[in-house]
Amino acid sequence: DTGVSQDPRHKITKRGQNVTFRCDPISEHNRLYWYRQTLGQGPEFLTYFQNEAQLEKSRLLSDRFSAERPKGSFSTLEIQRTEQGDSAMYLCASSLAGSSGETQYFGPGTRLLVL
Amino acid sequence: AQSVTQLDSQVPVFEEAPVELRCNYSSSVSVYLFWYVQYPNQGLQLLLKYLSGSTLVKGINGFEAEFNKSQTSFHLRKPSVHISDTAEYFCAVSTSGYSTLTFGKGTMLLVSP
Repeated sequence: DTGVSQDPRHKITKRGQNVTFRCDPISEHNRLYWYRQTLGQGPEFLTYFQNEAQLEKSRLLSDRFSAERPKGSFSTLEIQRTEQGDSAMYLCASSLAGSSGETQYFGPGTRLLVL
Repeated sequence: AQSVTQLDSQVPVFEEAPVELRCNYSSSVSVYLFWYVQYPNQGLQLLLKYLSGSTLVKGINGFEAEFNKSQTSFHLRKPSVHISDTAEYFCAVSTSGYSTLTFGKGTMLLVSP
């Protein structure tokens, strides 16, 4: 079990550029979540997938954000036309659906800085 | 909708002293409660969780938490802290049928020698 991995770990970009992050969940987990964490705050939910289906999106997820999980394994989160307010840590988590209070296992995060 | 309040943004404590990190939640339905720890520049690691049953939950690294339904609280405790416990601690809640976690703003535990 290699845990949840995220790539890249750090990304610096200029305002207006597009960025894409990747998350590889624990292999047998069928649920995958994206959260955003800004300085001094707890993680905030963005979206989640069960297998390849995107089941819920937060109001935080503007039209510039899109997430995919094409084969029910890894997921990508793309931010188009980045803004300085997008600077944050983007966390991915995975879990196994079907158990009460299922535990979400988090990756190390991708820290985005928009200049 | 549910919410979580962590009453202290920072808790300074000396090594080997006891500590309590406070967490209160709000929800109109039954909840599952979690404590996660985040070390600098890392993701979140689960310390412990309450699903049902015994209200005293034991977790990793000597931490425990007590669920109090009447006070809607889930405070985290450790009888004797170490320097290595210095980290940010997050309380989170989910509900039956809705697995998404709602987090508090976190409490920074600062352990000094």
